[in-house]
Amino acid sequence: DIVMTQSPLSLPVTLGQPASISCRSSQSLVHSDGNIYLNWFQQRPGQSPRRLIYEVSNRESGVPDRFSGSGSDTDFTLKISRVEAEDVGVYYCMQGTQWPRTFGQGTKVEIK
Amino acid sequence: EVQLLESGGGLVQPGGSLRLSCAASGFTFRRSPMTWVRQAPGKGLEWVSTFSGSTSNTYYADSVKGRFTISRDNSANTLYLQMNSLRVDDTAIYYCTKDWNFDYWGQGTLVTVSS
Repeated sequence: DIVMTQSPLSLPVTLGQPASISCRSSQSLVHSDGNIYLNWFQQRPGQSPRRLIYEVSNRESGVPDRFSGSGSDTDFTLKISRVEAEDVGVYYCMQGTQWPRTFGQGTKVEIK
Repeated sequence: EVQLLESGGGLVQPGGSLRLSCAASGFTFRRSPMTWVRQAPGKGLEWVSTFSGSTSNTYYADSVKGRFTISRDNSANTLYLQMNSLRVDDTAIYYCTKDWNFDYWGQGTLVTVSS
């Protein structure tokens, strides 16, 4: 199985400041079709998860452009350019390249 | 608008069975792979099972293989998860999600396995 490792697991941030979450996979996430199926999800307190980013860097419709994804092969990053109060929650990376699908442990973003 | 509505959760004793349903609308259900993902209380997300769209391929996590069965009724736009031989560590919110990479999620249904 591909192991997804996120860091940090807890991220206190100041409103208006940037934030960055790392996600590393134990194997390359390059699929045989050439795509990289790395997704980022946001789970606000008490809510269902919501996909923010797919295929490394593509934002879902309606996701603010302060969220961006980058990376390649085994090393990926989610960045929030200026954290807002509504960004509080837990963020998960997930690989969709191989079975079984696997998630990172989650990174809890909170306001200082 | 895509909607996924789970139901069927509840309290069950260890060793018991439960069947979850997910009613889907707002997209072409028969073409879409569908997945169950669960989240134990206070824990992270765990993929459980996927049923492909165009073929009848099914995929299971090792933790549920042989105990859970995923199925779908394309005429009713509904996804199911039959859960047998339930264990205490199956306690979780079970979410229904759409597509190979989970682009939409339902609100979840809580399954509690306890004596």
